[in-house]
Amino acid sequence: DQQVKQNSPSLSVQEGRISILNCDYTNSMFDYFLWYKKYPAEGPTFLISISSIKDKNEDGRFTVFLNKSAKHLSLHIVPSQPGDSAVYFCAASARGSQGNLIFGKGTKLSVKP
Amino acid sequence: GAVVSQHPSWVICKSGTSVKIECRSLDFQATTMFWYRQFPKQSLMLMATSNEGSKATYEQGVEKDKFLINHASLTLSTLTVTSAHPEDSSFYICSARDIPERNSPLHFGNGTRLTVT
Repeated sequence: DQQVKQNSPSLSVQEGRISILNCDYTNSMFDYFLWYKKYPAEGPTFLISISSIKDKNEDGRFTVFLNKSAKHLSLHIVPSQPGDSAVYFCAASARGSQGNLIFGKGTKLSVKP
Repeated sequence: GAVVSQHPSWVICKSGTSVKIECRSLDFQATTMFWYRQFPKQSLMLMATSNEGSKATYEQGVEKDKFLINHASLTLSTLTVTSAHPEDSSFYICSARDIPERNSPLHFGNGTRLTVT
């Protein structure tokens, strides 16, 4: 039973446009959410995070939105660049846990020049 | 930024042999490290939580006698895959926090690609 779901396995976007990656979760104990970027044969690289007390966090071209009532978060990348092409993982941490992260299956983003 | 170093980056071994993977936090101390495994086109799945100076905590379905974890110092955790079989072939990744707060990012090593022939 997947607690973190990324229902789009892939996304293709034109350079300069906005990329929107979506993530849904089921566990109401999750209170900290993160997005990671991953290239093949490498470990994930942290991008941006958001605590459940917020609904938006912005860092440069990356913005994460959290809708707690819908148990949904999204990552916006604007403007998208070819170097953003990678697999993006959504992850969550639960209140009361040791801080391990539960990951979604990832969305492969392709940004075309 | 915080760096987690993992070694080796890839290894090929024969069935029945054991393989040790090292995970080091280079510029910070980590009382807790997390070991993940990723199968092709799948998510990263937590295998175990490694605690410095005490026994590791394993996730359901992960055999503790097969995947031996030792966290002997604040900067080093090792995962030993014992009596490896082809189904153990996977991408193993360790992670740790430089900020000892649950609501802070995990930093990941570059992973180890294990192939068992």
